[in-house]
Parts: sequence; C-alpha cells; structure tokens
Amino acid sequence: GDSVTQMEGPVTLSEEAFLTINCTYTATGYPSLFWYVQYPGEGLQLLLKATKADDKGSNKGFEATYRKETTSFHLEKGSVQVSDSAVYFCALSEGETSGSRLTFGEGTQLTVNP
Amino acid sequence: EAQVTQNPRYLITVTGKKLTVTCSQNMNHEYMSWYRQDPGLGLRQIYYSMNVEVTDKGDVPEGYKVSRKEKRNFPLILESPSPNQTSLYFCASSFQGPYSYTQYFGPGTRLTVL
Repeated sequence: GDSVTQMEGPVTLSEEAFLTINCTYTATGYPSLFWYVQYPGEGLQLLLKATKADDKGSNKGFEATYRKETTSFHLEKGSVQVSDSAVYFCALSEGETSGSRLTFGEGTQLTVNP
Repeated sequence: EAQVTQNPRYLITVTGKKLTVTCSQNMNHEYMSWYRQDPGLGLRQIYYSMNVEVTDKGDVPEGYKVSRKEKRNFPLILESPSPNQTSLYFCASSFQGPYSYTQYFGPGTRLTVL
C-alpha cells in the first residue's frame, strides 16, 4: 500500500537558517503530493502541493519539487522565521479511481529559535 | 466564515461508555473524513465519506462508526471506547476527494479513555 516516510525530528534551527525536511513516498500509481503544517493547538492546513512529476509547489517561502525518479518531495525554505515553528506533514493521495484517501507521514516538529 | 467545527474539543471518559464526536462544515463539501493523530504515527484515516449516505473505511476503522445523513455533518461514534482509542482526532472536509481538492481540517478533539 501507499506510504510516506519523513525525516525524523525534532528539528531545531536558528532564525534565518536554511531548512530541509526530507520526504519519500511509496505509491502504486501517480499520486498528488502535499505538505501540511500544524501550528500549536490548531488543525492542519495545506502549505503546498504538486500534482505531477517535476511540478514545484510553493507558498510562504517554502518550496518542494515532485521528483518521480527518486520518489521524493523534500520541503525547503531558504530562511526560516520563529513563526515557522510547527509540525510539518508530508502526504500523498492516489487518483480518484483509487478512492479518496490521504496518507500522511509521521510528521516533523520544527522549532526555530531567535 | 468557512470552517470545520468539532465538538467537544476535549473529552475524558471511561472504558465502555458510548460517545459521539460531532463534525460539521459550512462549505457545502461533498467529502468528509476522520483522522486520528498519535505521536510517531502521524495522522491515520479512520473513515471517509464521498457524499451523503456514502461512507468507507480508512486505515484504522476498528472500534469506530460513522454516519452521513446530511451533507454538512459527519459524526464519529465510539460504541465502546477503550484506552487504546485515547488520541487526538481531526475531522476534515473538501469539495471532492483529496487527490485534487484541498482538505480543510477542524481544530481537533482530544479524547482520553480511562
């Protein structure tokens, strides 16, 4: 079945540092890929997505590129801020004909210190 | 304001005492889903619903029931809760399936079963 593997956390960075959170996936078809973010005490919200190979999703300075050859969707940001402290989840969804399900990775806790 | 609401937000109960967690959305979404979040496991889908009277199992349906009698509501029922159902629960909705449409999450319900 489908699965998503994220780099282990927690990750602690200083403000303005470069961020990479690794995500790899296993899927039988051609999934859509997502990054969701969960701020403390809140539900998840979509950060960015990509629907086909070589697509780059971007939002709020975060980027991730859908790499089919390496089955990866790594999240990057050039300069993190304290307000980026949150839990980040990589996720995938297979096509409509496979049913409508979202498979999440285990999440990576990011803490950014001033 | 477009939102997904869940009630209660916090619940402490005892083993075997039936409970219902309500979920309601005001966006006229067809797709709704329940997830549980556990440390180190990320979010796992419990049940989902493609439309009124259409529900299907996710990855961890054991011990849970759902119903979708109205488009806006998707309650999660625990007929006989057990301590291993202690978790953080999220309801989500989207226009249609998550492959193509952004999932909107509720604020979460923290359940403790003693």
